[in-house]
Formats: sequence, C-alpha cells, structure tokens
Amino acid sequence: EAQVTQNPRYLITVTGKKLTVTCSQNMNHEYMSWYRQDPGLGLRQIYYSMNVEVTDKGDVPEGYKVSRKEKRNFPLILESPSPNQTSLYFCASMRTGPGVEQYFGPGTRLTVT
Amino acid sequence: AQSVTQLDSQVPVFEEAPVELRCNYSSSVSVYLFWYVQYPNQGLQLLLKYLSGSTLVKGINGFEAEFNKSQTSFHLRKPSVHISDTAEYFCAVSEQGSYIPTFGRGTSLIVHP
Repeated sequence: EAQVTQNPRYLITVTGKKLTVTCSQNMNHEYMSWYRQDPGLGLRQIYYSMNVEVTDKGDVPEGYKVSRKEKRNFPLILESPSPNQTSLYFCASMRTGPGVEQYFGPGTRLTVT
Repeated sequence: AQSVTQLDSQVPVFEEAPVELRCNYSSSVSVYLFWYVQYPNQGLQLLLKYLSGSTLVKGINGFEAEFNKSQTSFHLRKPSVHISDTAEYFCAVSEQGSYIPTFGRGTSLIVHP
C-alpha cells in the first residue's frame, strides 16, 4: 500500500530535550516536505527536499533541522524544542512534475512543556 | 509569488443542504489548483484538482469545483452534504513551472443533523 508514515504519532516532551520525528514514504517520490498546522494559521511549510541531499527552507524553518540521506526518509529534528513548537506536524511527499498532488502522513501531535 | 485566500474559516450547514467553500488565488502565471480534505485526526487527502481543460472538475464524495480565471477563484461545491463531510478543507495552488504548492488557511465545514 502506498503510504507516508510518521513516528511517533503523539509526543509530549520538555523544553530543550532534543527530539526527532521520522517520516518515510514507499512511493519512490523525489519531493518531501514538512508542515506544521496551527489553529487559524493553516498549513505552514517548514522545510522541503527536492531529492537526496537537497533540502531548502520553507516559510517557518527557525528551530528545525532536516536531513535527506535516503530517498524514502526525511526526518524532522528539533534540537532544543520550545513551547511555541507545540503543534501538529505533517510530512508529505510527491513525485516531481506539473500538477502533481501531495501524499500526507497521518500527523504527529507534539506538545512541548 | 502565489498566494491563496480561503474566505471563510468556518462554514456551518445542515445535513442535505448545499454548500460552497470559497477559494481565491493570486499568481502572475498559470496555475494548478487543488482541494484537499482533512477528516478529524487524519492527514490530508486529495479531493480534486484542476490542471487544464474543462473548468468544472469533479472529485470524490460528490464534490466539484469550478475554475474561474477572470475571478481567480476555485470554489468547492456539493449539492447535498452529509454528516460525514464534517472536516477541514484546504485549497492549494502551484504555479506552472514550479510545483511547490501554497496552501490556504483552511475552512472548517461543520454539518449539523
């Protein structure tokens, strides 16, 4: 089954404790992306990657890091989480091309206390 | 740069009534347009998309959208909604030549019995 998986689905942590949210896709997609969703603000892009070893900042990259060492994986790293990073996070992937839609993971709800 | 405006943050409606969710976009070039749906506690999934050709696009679950180039709009409609249509709906645009999408802030459709 074609899918994007994220782990963990729920995470409660404390300020400053490094964490990683994993994202994996099995569709051989070149493009992967991370979004955060907050009430009233919709989806905001954090980082994206056009292919292996190619990453770029989205609209809200501060406080986040990513890596793309393999085509299927695109982890999101919060090296020193803060309460304002409490949010719902989505990973997405798509093949590159005109008019192509994205496939989204189920989301990771992160709470930073 | 492209942008998307969803004019209503919340749309309450009674079951079996018609509904229209509004989306306007801004771009200096031709665009591709998408509607995604997010059911409670799930990721986003594609509802429908416009690439070219007929301006009326039909999607899943009885939804349709009409592309209006002169008004730069891509409104989503359904003639008779069900309780199960209660969800968050996102409009998205990507420009031809750059497939990175921009999302609107979302419209929460609330269907009452």
